[in-house]
Amino acid sequence: NAGVTQTPKFRVLKTGQSMTLLCAQDMNHEYMYWYRQDPGMGLRLIHYSVGEGTTAKGEVPDGYNVSRLKKQNFLLGLESAAPSQTSVYFCASSSGTGDYEQYFGPGTRLTVT
Amino acid sequence: DQQVKQNSPSLSVQEGRISILNCDYTNSMFDYFLWYKKYPAEGPTFLISISSIKDKNEDGRFTVFLNKSAKHLSLHIVPSQPGDSAVYFCAASNSGTYKYIFGTGTRLKVLA
Repeated sequence: NAGVTQTPKFRVLKTGQSMTLLCAQDMNHEYMYWYRQDPGMGLRLIHYSVGEGTTAKGEVPDGYNVSRLKKQNFLLGLESAAPSQTSVYFCASSSGTGDYEQYFGPGTRLTVT
Repeated sequence: DQQVKQNSPSLSVQEGRISILNCDYTNSMFDYFLWYKKYPAEGPTFLISISSIKDKNEDGRFTVFLNKSAKHLSLHIVPSQPGDSAVYFCAASNSGTYKYIFGTGTRLKVLA
């Protein structure tokens, strides 16, 4: 039982490049989330999903897109990376059935130059 | 507008003493609160939670207190241990949404 995994762990992009971050969970959770963590800002919600095929915007969705084609996977896309997107990205999941605990992945450190 | 605030960026406590971490919120619709602990280069891990129908929840060395009228919650760690040194985040949710708003975190250092 791996819990929540994220791919890749590190990435360096040049401004304007695109990439996709992959999150996978093996706990059969309905809810999945993407956060970014910046110094002094805590964790801010980018997008989330309440089930397969659904997505919704969080606090800071601009510049990102997401897809949840399979229940176990939640993809975060950057179409045209900007230096302001340099951050550590965390994926999380929760059951959505009364247990409010979120389970987090180990994070992806992204640098945009 | 920061809906969840942790006004102390850092806290140092002697081993064996009590650590008290504070969190304030502004949205009266929040009805579920959680604390997470985060070590460097790892994802946050769940520590303890409390529903708005309670004012206290205890789990071993960790106790969370909720004061709804003051929109304030606190995490007490007794006794503090060096392994508790980490960044602690509080998070709040309106249970109907399953969305979580996190505070900015407090870095706790427990001195041996």
